[in-house]
Amino acid sequence: AQSVAQPEDQVNVAEGNPLTVKCTYSVSGNPYLFWYVQYPNRGLQFLLKYITGDNLVKGSYGFEAEFNKSQTSFHLKKPSALVSDSALYFCAVRANDYKLSFGAGTTVTVRA
Amino acid sequence: DAGITQSPRYKITETGRQVTLMCHQTWSHSYMFWYRQDLGHGLRLIYYSAAADITDKGEVPDGYVVSRSKTENFPLTLESATRSQTSVYFCASSESFRKGYEQYFGPGTRLTVT
Repeated sequence: AQSVAQPEDQVNVAEGNPLTVKCTYSVSGNPYLFWYVQYPNRGLQFLLKYITGDNLVKGSYGFEAEFNKSQTSFHLKKPSALVSDSALYFCAVRANDYKLSFGAGTTVTVRA
Repeated sequence: DAGITQSPRYKITETGRQVTLMCHQTWSHSYMFWYRQDLGHGLRLIYYSAAADITDKGEVPDGYVVSRSKTENFPLTLESATRSQTSVYFCASSESFRKGYEQYFGPGTRLTVT
């Protein structure tokens, strides 16, 4: 079964420091991978995706993610975190033609 | 505004009542989805639709009914609400999820069943 794992429940960083949110995946075949962000009392917002092509994917709000096939990882990164980046982040994989399989989520807190 | 909207945003109902949650998208996306989000369970797919008049069950369909007579609308009905259906419900749409297009989510409906 296609699945993703987010090994960290929480990530805490200082504003201006690099931010990394980890995600590993388990799929058969080529993975379609996604990152979403959820702010309090809001829906999920799409950040970026990897379908094929360059392993470094750039997305919204200065985020990027690196697809690593050998390590089966798709970590989300931001070079310089902002307090406004504090939110819940979800990694997801397309499990089949209709289903997104989500990780449990990682809460990011950026302190001023 | 264009996008995906849900109504109501908040709903309190009693056990046994029928409740319908509405979802509307303006992109003419083929695919639409209903998820529920619960602590400890993350996001779980309830139903999905690949096109108008085509719907199918997801992971947790019991107690829910959907319809899709028009491309832009995908209502979710709880036929007889139970306390276990207290949750936050998200609707999503995708141009062509099968081809790897992302899903776009609505703002959610917080449902409380008393």
